[in-house]
Amino acid sequence: DVKVTQSSRYLVKRTGEKVFLECVQDMDHENMFWYRQDPGLGLRLIYFSYDVKMKEKGDIPEGYSVSREKKERFSLILESASTNQTSMYLCASTKGTSPLHFGNGTRLTVT
Amino acid sequence: TQLLEQSPQFLSIQEGENLTVYCNSSSVFSSLQWYRQEPGEGPVLLVTVVTGGEVKKLKRLTFQFGDARKDSSLHITAAQPGDTGLYLCAGGTGRRALTFGSGTRLQVQP
Repeated sequence: DVKVTQSSRYLVKRTGEKVFLECVQDMDHENMFWYRQDPGLGLRLIYFSYDVKMKEKGDIPEGYSVSREKKERFSLILESASTNQTSMYLCASTKGTSPLHFGNGTRLTVT
Repeated sequence: TQLLEQSPQFLSIQEGENLTVYCNSSSVFSSLQWYRQEPGEGPVLLVTVVTGGEVKKLKRLTFQFGDARKDSSLHITAAQPGDTGLYLCAGGTGRRALTFGSGTRLQVQP
């Protein structure tokens, strides 16, 4: 069974801090994604990566960056956290046209 | 950005009732997926439909893809408390990432 692991379930950070959200998958999937989930807005795509060192902007990339140095790991970076980035962050991976496999999410609060 | 609108946004029903959730767009999708998300977990795939007019059944859940591939519905027969969760539709367009709907939160009371 595919496992997508997000390093933290809950994070509390202060405005202006640099924040790293880590995601690791164990099934050699080439595609990895970061979504944020807010009530009434569903899942919105921040960034995705289809290969090591490759990245593409999603629908809401502003204020975020990503890093994919190894195939199994995809990091989301908030360069200077702001209160409007308080949200649930979901990482997912897939291979080819197979379904998305999601992690359990990181709930980030920026104060 | 292609939009997927789901309705209703919230639904609270009694065990044994039937319900339908709708997912609509003005855009054509090459495929459409339905996910269910339970509290504290990530979404889990229920079904993928790819052909206009396609109907798929998963026990008490029936999924339909519209003829024009712009809309879909999820019908649950005789809902159970275990059906409680957030239901998300997601459309595929040929780009690598799915577009998700806004979600329908279902609460089934025993």
